[in-house]
Amino acid sequence: DQQVKQNSPSLSVQEGRISILNCDYTNSMFDYFLWYKKYPAEGPTFLISISSIKDKNEDGRFTVFLNKSAKHLSLHIVPSQPGDSAVYFCAAEYGNFNKFYFGSGTKLNVKP
Amino acid sequence: DGGITQSPKYLFRKEGQNVTLSCEQNLNHDAMYWYRQDPGQGLRLIYYSQIVNDFQKGDIAEGYSVSREKKESFPLTVTSAQKNPTAFYLCASSISGTDYYEQYFGPGTRLTVT
Repeated sequence: DQQVKQNSPSLSVQEGRISILNCDYTNSMFDYFLWYKKYPAEGPTFLISISSIKDKNEDGRFTVFLNKSAKHLSLHIVPSQPGDSAVYFCAAEYGNFNKFYFGSGTKLNVKP
Repeated sequence: DGGITQSPKYLFRKEGQNVTLSCEQNLNHDAMYWYRQDPGQGLRLIYYSQIVNDFQKGDIAEGYSVSREKKESFPLTVTSAQKNPTAFYLCASSISGTDYYEQYFGPGTRLTVT
């Protein structure tokens, strides 16, 4: 049973517009959430994270929002650039057991 | 430069053969992980190790084995018991402590078994 879900396998956005990637989770014990970006044939690279004590974390063009009551997090990219085209994974962890649960990924295509 | 190396990038094996995937890190991280990625699926945890000479099964450990004799190295053996071994394998590492830390990933090994 997948505890972290990304229900949109793909998303296409025009350059300069906002990209919103969504992630839902089922385990209310999760208290740390991360987003990773992955290019084909490469390993994922860390993008941004958020602790459950916050509802927003911002880093440049990337903002992650956390809605604990809805068990939902989202990644906003503004403005989107063609170089942002990649697969984005959300991940969650609890209790600092160093065990991470990943979603299935959303492939973002930013059109020039 | 610090990082994680996985070798080889592509690996081909005949069915019934065991194969070992290499993972080395020079980040001085205590924790190391092995994931498997299949098309349309997320990363699924095979094994992880939080300290040398200790490791735990992940969600899909059947047909795999690992060792952690050195802090820098966490090799994964795909045995003939693994029913669907063809996949993209990713190794990762992270700091292990009282705070939360992100994982750093290697470039991956694509294993094809025919």
